[in-house]
Amino acid sequence: AQTVTQSQPEMSVQEAETVTLSCTYDTSESDYYLFWYKQPPSRQMILVIRQEAYKQQNATENRFSVNFQKAAKSFSLKISDSQLGDAAMYFCAYRSVYTGGFKTIFGAGTRLFVKA
Amino acid sequence: DTAVSQTPKYLVTQMGNDKSIKCEQNLGHDTMYWYKQDSKKFLKIMFSYNNKELIINETVPNRFSPKSPDKAHLNLHINSLELGDSAVYFCASSQDPRDSTTNSPLHFGNGTRLTVT
Repeated sequence: AQTVTQSQPEMSVQEAETVTLSCTYDTSESDYYLFWYKQPPSRQMILVIRQEAYKQQNATENRFSVNFQKAAKSFSLKISDSQLGDAAMYFCAYRSVYTGGFKTIFGAGTRLFVKA
Repeated sequence: DTAVSQTPKYLVTQMGNDKSIKCEQNLGHDTMYWYKQDSKKFLKIMFSYNNKELIINETVPNRFSPKSPDKAHLNLHINSLELGDSAVYFCASSQDPRDSTTNSPLHFGNGTRLTVT
């Protein structure tokens, strides 16, 4: 069974600085999708960025980018020019393509604090 | 326009009661889900439905009964509520994840905070 591990329960960053959130996963599959979701205090779950495992190029979305290391099974999220609105829980998630993909597995989350 | 809407936002009830949470999506998605987020923020899938058909039942007690009258709706009924059922319940939808042309991210509702006293 696949697992997703986020080893940093909490992280803190100064406004305008850069922070990297770690995520590792365990799978025997060669093709899959990876996601980062953000959950601000409002409780809503928001997709931040996605990555297809067959793509070697790292995904970017404005200030958000990932470092996808397939061999190492690592999928870290980099937030550049951090803003106060980035303060939230961040969840790394894995979705298989082989078992129908009907189950997305989430890590335990990292709470990000942004200091003014 | 709200993409995935679930009601109510908050639900406070006593042990032993029966309650329902409703979910509707207007994204035209084929697949809908229920996730449970516990007090430590851990998210775990409960059910997946595709075109009204149950695909995944992740060892959820049979006090929980999902119902999908059509592919735009997935409701969750809970019988004989227990203290341990207190959590935030998220409805979500996606395109059919078997469609290889899309990476089918989840679109979540705003969650229902259930408190059982």
